[in-house]
Amino acid sequence: DGGITQSPKYLFRKEGQNVTLSCEQNLNHDAMYWYRQDPGQGLRLIYYSQIVNDFQKGDIAEGYSVSREKKESFPLTVTSAQKNPTAFYLCASSPQRDGYTFGSGTRLTVV
Amino acid sequence: KQEVTQIPAALSVPEGENLVLNCSFTDSAIYNLQWFRQDPGKGLTSLLLIQSSQREQTSGRLNASLDKSSGRSTLYIAASQPGDSATYLCAVPGGSYIPTFGRGTSLIVHP
Repeated sequence: DGGITQSPKYLFRKEGQNVTLSCEQNLNHDAMYWYRQDPGQGLRLIYYSQIVNDFQKGDIAEGYSVSREKKESFPLTVTSAQKNPTAFYLCASSPQRDGYTFGSGTRLTVV
Repeated sequence: KQEVTQIPAALSVPEGENLVLNCSFTDSAIYNLQWFRQDPGKGLTSLLLIQSSQREQTSGRLNASLDKSSGRSTLYIAASQPGDSATYLCAVPGGSYIPTFGRGTSLIVHP
């Protein structure tokens, strides 16, 4: 079945450490997105990519980085510059001008 | 800039009631509107996608309507069940086809 796979489901980061969240899709979608969700808040866009080898900053890109070397993959790195990284991270994809499909999320906790 | 508002923010009802969740958006030039369900700690599951040329979509006990001219969509849930308890979000594509989400309606259906 086609879908989006996010891994790991849970991730723990030590202070000053970079961590990478994986997002893979087999839907042949052109566009991919990363969102952050905090308790009681809405979804906030971190980065998006509409085509391979191109990506754009969203509303809260500081402290994060991405790459889009393959159509299927859009990994998100949470760098040490992100001072409050504890959150639930969601990856999504879409074909051009059609609905969005989400992964099951990664919960990141700073220890 | 597209803004999406969902009313009510929270709803608690006894099992069996018919429910209406509302979503309003400020820019009526949309390609489509999508309703999602999110269970605690989980990703978003797509419920219904309404294209701009459609007025409604149905799936089982769910019916979503779209009125572009007034900037409104309604999700109707018939004969609610405890398993319907979740947060319901609506999303509309904005510039560059980036989705804008409402803050969601948190629904509790008690036996």
